[in-house]
Amino acid sequence: DTVLTQSPALAVSLGQRVTISCKASESVSSSSFSYIHWYQQKPGQQPKLLIYHASNLESGVPARFSGSGSGTDFTLNIDPVEADDIATYFCQQSWNDPYTFGAGTKLELK
Amino acid sequence: EVQILETGGGLVKPGGSLRLSCATSGFNFNDYFMNWVRQAPGKGLEWVAQIRNKNYNYATYYAESLEGRVTISRDDSKSSVYLQVSSLRAEDTAIYYCTRLGLWVPTFDYWGQGVMVTVSS
Repeated sequence: DTVLTQSPALAVSLGQRVTISCKASESVSSSSFSYIHWYQQKPGQQPKLLIYHASNLESGVPARFSGSGSGTDFTLNIDPVEADDIATYFCQQSWNDPYTFGAGTKLELK
Repeated sequence: EVQILETGGGLVKPGGSLRLSCATSGFNFNDYFMNWVRQAPGKGLEWVAQIRNKNYNYATYYAESLEGRVTISRDDSKSSVYLQVSSLRAEDTAIYYCTRLGLWVPTFDYWGQGVMVTVSS
């Protein structure tokens, strides 16, 4: 299975830029697309799709979220971080079966 | 508006079985592949099962960790999907989410609120 590795937690200050990383154990990119997607999960809620194909913002997601990367290394950026963004962020790959998720990065306030 | 609602969770003894239901509305259910994803308390997300649509002969796929103990099914007339889990173990304790796989991009684009399954004696 494709393993996605994320840092467990990041401490952030409101208003700053934060970068969350996701590293895949093998390439999850084709010549056209990267099959990495990002989800936000707040406590007690279901995950919510933020970004698909590494860099495409899902409809309704604020423009302070952005994503990049290809091959095995991907990042989710939030700039600037707002209070509403304090949550856990998961990356997920859909290039290889079975689809797998990273363990999640929990954003915490400094 | 897309709506996904899971029911059927609860407390089950080890070795027991449970059938989870997922009722959907707000989209053409027949077009979509449906999935179950679970999350153990305080843990990450784990894909559990997928059922494809009629065009793909309702093909089913399962996580290896659950193969043989889980069955996914759907009823297009009711826009519903089901998950039968048997021989339940403590490690099956989790929130089980019903999710829709996007039509054009293979993401889990809509999720239900989840249903809690607790396996304990």
